[in-house]
Amino acid sequence: SQQGEEDPQALSIQEGENATMNCSYKTSINNLQWYRQNSGRGLVHLILIRSNEREKHSGRLRVTLDTSKKSSSLLITASRAADTASYFCATDQESPSIQGAQKLVFGQGTRLTINP
Amino acid sequence: KAGVTQTPRYLIKTRGQQVTLSCSPISGHRSVSWYQQTPGQGLQFLFEYFSETQRNKGNFPGRFSGRQFSNSRSEMNVSTLELGDSALYLCASSLGDRGNQPQHFGDGTRLSIL
Repeated sequence: SQQGEEDPQALSIQEGENATMNCSYKTSINNLQWYRQNSGRGLVHLILIRSNEREKHSGRLRVTLDTSKKSSSLLITASRAADTASYFCATDQESPSIQGAQKLVFGQGTRLTINP
Repeated sequence: KAGVTQTPRYLIKTRGQQVTLSCSPISGHRSVSWYQQTPGQGLQFLFEYFSETQRNKGNFPGRFSGRQFSNSRSEMNVSTLELGDSALYLCASSLGDRGNQPQHFGDGTRLSIL
């Protein structure tokens, strides 16, 4: 089952503009992660934000988390052609009985296209 | 440090056959997770191994199985292949000593069932 849902499904902007993608999830989480996937490649981890954090920055990336609304947003500033990719949010579903067990539940992703 | 390596990159099989996919994690990573990616279902968690033990499992039929070796390398097996098994299979590794860690993905094995 999908935990996160990204919005919009597709986004096309001009190079230099900012891109904002949103993610909503259903159950309580320990953290939320954002990943990027270029066509035909694996996923690349971008940023992890913990449930007790509200905002996090990494270079041109800014992630916010609102646990009361069960939502997160990813902002990419000053976009570049190389940012063209699909972006996924993922929430952890740590096994309640097995400490450390890893399981990420991904949304369907936002396909971002940066036009030169 | 070398990244996660998956072999083969591409595979074509027919219905009813079985297939084994391989994943070599980043050196020092003890957790290996497997995901299936399809256009319709997106990314779905298959299972996770840590120190040769399956620690977590997704909602897939028993035809999907895996194992992990003492050097943390992992294999995934799918028996009695069906057309719907056509997908990109992704492997990810992490230290795995605690929850909530970023995962490092390989480029996947694209499996096509004819």
